[in-house]
Amino acid sequence: EAGVTQSPRYAVLQEGQAVSFWCDPISGHDTLYWYQQPRDQGPQLLVYFRDEAVIDNSQLPSDRFSAVRPKGTNSTLKIQSAKQGDTATYLCASSPDRGSAETLYFGSGTRLTVL
Amino acid sequence: GQQVQQSPSSLVLQEGENAELQCNFSSTATQLQWFYQSPGGSLVSLLSNPSGTKHTGRLTSTTVTKERRSSLHISSSQTTDSGTYLCAIYSNTDKVVFGTGTRLQVSP
Repeated sequence: EAGVTQSPRYAVLQEGQAVSFWCDPISGHDTLYWYQQPRDQGPQLLVYFRDEAVIDNSQLPSDRFSAVRPKGTNSTLKIQSAKQGDTATYLCASSPDRGSAETLYFGSGTRLTVL
Repeated sequence: GQQVQQSPSSLVLQEGENAELQCNFSSTATQLQWFYQSPGGSLVSLLSNPSGTKHTGRLTSTTVTKERRSSLHISSSQTTDSGTYLCAIYSNTDKVVFGTGTRLQVSP
């Protein structure tokens, strides 16, 4: 069984540039999460989907961040006009069960540096 | 909302020593999961322990639900155990909330 796939692995931007992150969850997993993990901190939930629907995006900075999962499979997280404070690792996770920590599978993450 | 605190924030051991990691959470949890994050960044689940004591290999977790705390004991640490250990809580808010992590370094 293939795991959660994320790309790119690394990204380096100047402030004000845009970037997109892509996530391919495990086949059949209906729940998909995006987490932001600043250096030396735990992952912090940005948004999560069940199928194509956004369930919770309350922690997503809506002025510059957007996330979609149009067919309930792959997902894209986009940052418009990146800031230095966005420097972090962005983790995608999927689960076959609603909000279950026990069946949460993570990708390798995208490490973003904003200069 | 749910808050999860872990201690110590970092720990340095010699190979063979035991490690004791703590996780405290602010409200009732229906699930508690310990994760390991490698220095390269990927996260893997270690074990699930919403209550009581569970063992797997050199790992033992004890969760006291009414006191809202859990511990992870690593016996006979190895250099390959180095990394970050994260506690994650699932409560009835339908979200998985992670703690701040404990960074473990095991020297040969």
